[in-house]
Amino acid sequence: NAGVTQTPKFQVLKTGQSMTLQCAQDMNHEYMSWYRQDPGMGLRLIHYSVGAGITDQGEVPNGYNVSRSTTEDFPLRLLSAAPSQTSVYFCASSDAGVAYNSPLHFGNGTRLTVT
Amino acid sequence: EDQVTQSPEALRLQEGESSSLNCSYTVSGLRGLFWYRQDPGKGPEFLFTLYSAGEEKEKERLKATLTKKESFLHITAPKPEDSATYLCAVSSVYKLSFGAGTTVTVRA
Repeated sequence: NAGVTQTPKFQVLKTGQSMTLQCAQDMNHEYMSWYRQDPGMGLRLIHYSVGAGITDQGEVPNGYNVSRSTTEDFPLRLLSAAPSQTSVYFCASSDAGVAYNSPLHFGNGTRLTVT
Repeated sequence: EDQVTQSPEALRLQEGESSSLNCSYTVSGLRGLFWYRQDPGKGPEFLFTLYSAGEEKEKERLKATLTKKESFLHITAPKPEDSATYLCAVSSVYKLSFGAGTTVTVRA
């Protein structure tokens, strides 16, 4: 089983560029989410989705967009990259979501550097 | 606001030297406390969920306990393969809050 697959693994952007981080899961999970991880800080929720066609903002949504057209895919779009968005981004999924204490399954992350 | 604080930030152990990691939290209405393990360059991997004070869970050399204000992750007779960053997270209604983690290094 592939689980949660994130691409690319590494990316370097210049300030102002846009890009999409891809996330796909093959576990038929309804709940998917995006986190960023910065040194000395806990994982912070950017956006999440409780099912196809439904998305909502997390703790740090500014500068990011998401959509959920299928159960399997949950891409994260950076609209105009800024140095403050330099981070490691993780996609995570679960069968029933945070509200039901369902454990998260994480991808292996995308390390993004914005210069 | 929900807060999760993990200590120490880093822990260096000799193989076989048992120790404990702390996760203290303030949350309005704890629904569950999670422990995850994260290896370098990888995503976090789920270890345990604890739901109420007094609960304990074990997996190999790891044992997690929960009180009303904190959780401990005990590592008994650790091996080098237990080296990782251990993350604690608490859930309240629809929110999951993570601590910054404790990085454990076990030397042979």
